[in-house]
Amino acid sequence: AQSVAQPEDQVNVAEGNPLTVKCTYSVSGNPYLFWYVQYPNRGLQFLLKYITGDNLVKGSYGFEAEFNKSQTSFHLKKPSALVSDSALYFCAVRGATGGFKTIFGAGTRLFVKA
Amino acid sequence: GAGVSQTPSNKVTEKGKYVELRCDPISGHTALYWYRQSLGQGPEFLIYFQGTGAADDSGLPNDRFFAVRPEGSVSTLKIQRTERGDSAVYLCASSLTGGLADTQYFGPGTRLTVL
Repeated sequence: AQSVAQPEDQVNVAEGNPLTVKCTYSVSGNPYLFWYVQYPNRGLQFLLKYITGDNLVKGSYGFEAEFNKSQTSFHLKKPSALVSDSALYFCAVRGATGGFKTIFGAGTRLFVKA
Repeated sequence: GAGVSQTPSNKVTEKGKYVELRCDPISGHTALYWYRQSLGQGPEFLIYFQGTGAADDSGLPNDRFFAVRPEGSVSTLKIQRTERGDSAVYLCASSLTGGLADTQYFGPGTRLTVL
């Protein structure tokens, strides 16, 4: 069965510091991995995805994510956090054997302090 | 261009009533998804449409939940005999083709409250 784990409910970081939001997954076959961000009272916004190829994926708003097959991880990163990055972040996975289901993690709340 | 829209934005109903939630996908997107998001949780898959047909409805929790997409565009999620446990935000998403690598674009959601 497919699954996603976001081990941290909350991440706190000071503005200007690098940030990492962790995600690990379990899927049969090749994974298709996604990161979404959710701001208050708004829908989920797509940040980036990994399909194949380079393990470092670059996305919107300066975010990037590193795919690590041996550790089954897809951590979200940003070199320099902004206060406006404070939001709820979701990791998601799809796999060939999971049909059309997208499995989302429980989310990680990011607080960036000025 | 216009994104995914959902109506109503909020719906308050009484236990046992029937509700309909509407989703307008991005024009030209053949795939449409419904999710349910409870407080403090990630979105939970309910159903996936490819065109007019439900290609995967394995996430519908029981037979009180039903969804249609008769013309391959707008979709309606229908909930009969609502229960307090149905209270959640219902999210709709669409994507261009429905392929595994496809990006899903989400609407703002409908917040359903069952009293």
